[in-house]
Amino acid sequence: DAGVIQSPRHEVTEMGQEVTLRCKPISGHNSLFWYRQTMMRGLELLIYFNNNVPIDDSGMPEDRFSAKMPNASFSTLKIQPSEPRDSAVYFCASTDDSYRETQYFGPGTRLLVL
Amino acid sequence: AQSVSQHNHHVILSEAASLELGCNYSYGGTVNLFWYVQYPGQHLQLLLKYFSGDPLVKGIKGFEAEFIKSKFSFNLRKPSVQWSDTAEYFCAVNNDNAGNMLTFGGGTRLMVKP
Repeated sequence: DAGVIQSPRHEVTEMGQEVTLRCKPISGHNSLFWYRQTMMRGLELLIYFNNNVPIDDSGMPEDRFSAKMPNASFSTLKIQPSEPRDSAVYFCASTDDSYRETQYFGPGTRLLVL
Repeated sequence: AQSVSQHNHHVILSEAASLELGCNYSYGGTVNLFWYVQYPGQHLQLLLKYFSGDPLVKGIKGFEAEFIKSKFSFNLRKPSVQWSDTAEYFCAVNNDNAGNMLTFGGGTRLMVKP
């Protein structure tokens, strides 16, 4: 299995631009998580999908952030408009719906907003 | 709500030294406990996990962790560290009411000097 796939791996953009991050979970996994990692705040859960439905989005910072999961094999995290404080590494993780299953992380997208 | 505390933010050791990283959680019910490792520039990978049974759990690369329920702790240990263990280590907890969601600690950055 290829594991969790994220794209792009690196993104540099200017403040105010729209940024779209993509994630393909491991085939057969039906839970998907988006995390943000910064030096100041550590690893934060942004949103959690189960069977393509958002279950918990309480970690989404504000309305500029939105996430979708149109099908079991694809999810996007969009920031519009982006701001310098959004600079971080964004990780996607997936797991099977069975209780106690391990979360598998993707390689992350390193975002820099200038 | 549950929380996870890792009290050591930075640890510096020489090769062959013994390692113990602290992890404490706050949740009174049944928990599942994880340690993840993030090598420089890479994504999080599972090191070991505890669900039930023997409270002393052995993971990959010579790591082990002990669940002490009375202390709400799940400390990570390794008898003799190597330079290649330089990484950031995250403790994470899942409880029986949280579905697949994990709560991560703030992480501990370990540097092993050759």
